[in-house]
Amino acid sequence: GENVEQHPSTLSVQEGDSAVIKCTYSDSASNYFPWYKQELGKRPQLIIDIRSNVGEKKDQRIAVTLNKTAKHFSLHITETQPEDSAVYFCAASNSNTGKLIFGQGTTLQVKP
Amino acid sequence: DAGVIQSPRHEVTEMGQEVTLRCKPISGHNSLFWYRQTMMRGLELLIYFNNNVPIDDSGMPEDRFSAKMPNASFSTLKIQPSEPRDSAVYFCASSPGYSGGAPPDTQYFGPGTRLTVL
Repeated sequence: GENVEQHPSTLSVQEGDSAVIKCTYSDSASNYFPWYKQELGKRPQLIIDIRSNVGEKKDQRIAVTLNKTAKHFSLHITETQPEDSAVYFCAASNSNTGKLIFGQGTTLQVKP
Repeated sequence: DAGVIQSPRHEVTEMGQEVTLRCKPISGHNSLFWYRQTMMRGLELLIYFNNNVPIDDSGMPEDRFSAKMPNASFSTLKIQPSEPRDSAVYFCASSPGYSGGAPPDTQYFGPGTRLTVL
């Protein structure tokens, strides 16, 4: 069945360093890949998304890359700040089902 | 824009009781999703509706769970009878609309209902 694997499960970086989170998906029909940030006790909030017709998208300090051949996509955060500390979820969806399949989440800690 | 509204925000109940969670999607959104989040299982899709019609309920854990969407602005998720293992945060999300063959739309999450079953 549909599956999204996310790595690493935890990530600790020093303030100012970069952080990279990687996801792989199983359904080759997937064509939409959002990333959500969830702070403790809060709802998941969309931070960036990419559709299958592009390979890279950037928004200030965050960027997402997509490799459809290898069926993987990644989130890159540059110049990390303590407020970036949260759980990040990747997800994949396709136009046949319309439903999101989430990865297991990555707990990012940015140390001041 | 009020965003997705869920009630109650917290619910504590005893095993065997009926629990009803409520969701109001963003006005104009045609798709609604119910998720459950636990530490062990992460974010799980329970059921989703398109234009008030249930499309996929394969994530509903068992017959104790049921969901309805009587109109475009209201949905409920009911658990009867509740069990301690149902304790979780339940999120509702909505998106502008999904039409088969069209690109999926961004989902916006509500604040969630934290359910504790004693």
